[in-house]
Amino acid sequence: GQNIDQPTEMTATEGAIVQINCTYQTSGFNGLFWYQQHAGEAPTFLSYNVLDGLEEKGRFSSFLSRSKGYSYLLLKELQMKDSASYLCAVRDSNYQLIWGAGTKLIIKP
Amino acid sequence: IAGITQAPTSQILAAGRRMTLRCTQDMRHNAMYWYRQDLGLGLRLIHYSNTAGTTGKGEVPDGYSVSRANTDDFPLTLASAVPSQTSVYFCASSVAGNNEQFFGPGTRLTVL
Repeated sequence: GQNIDQPTEMTATEGAIVQINCTYQTSGFNGLFWYQQHAGEAPTFLSYNVLDGLEEKGRFSSFLSRSKGYSYLLLKELQMKDSASYLCAVRDSNYQLIWGAGTKLIIKP
Repeated sequence: IAGITQAPTSQILAAGRRMTLRCTQDMRHNAMYWYRQDLGLGLRLIHYSNTAGTTGKGEVPDGYSVSRANTDDFPLTLASAVPSQTSVYFCASSVAGNNEQFFGPGTRLTVL
């Protein structure tokens, strides 16, 4: 079967750095997405990786290793507004997105 | 309309009733999707449409139907609602099947 694993919850301090991991086992691979979802709101797109390596976008970076079935989202200079759930999703061989359950990130002052 | 909208925002429904959730986008995106999101689970795809006039089944299609008569609208119908269909429903769209998806604000549905 297809599986996306992420930690259920993480806690970090304002101003610090946090890394959210995602491992996947899917039938085929056509890219990996990270989305942010604030409580009670819709998911919004953060990043996309299809090749191995690091993609940097401001305070957020996303890394992919296809051989290891692994990705991480790195958030720097954490702000209180970064408190949200972070969803990892993999596009499979049918070009459908398989979603992880999400990681709830709690930022403390 | 700016982006993608859904209606209603929330609904309480008696079991056995028929219900249509509406989704409209003005971005001229070809592909549209319906997901349900339940606590502790990832988003699960119900149905999708790669272009107007075509639809396909996702991971959890049973009890749901969709139509795509035009580019902008993608309604989701529950023919006879059951309590297990209590969930938050998100509609999404993308330029094509291999692009990022944009999500509507969601419909919170409770079936009693």
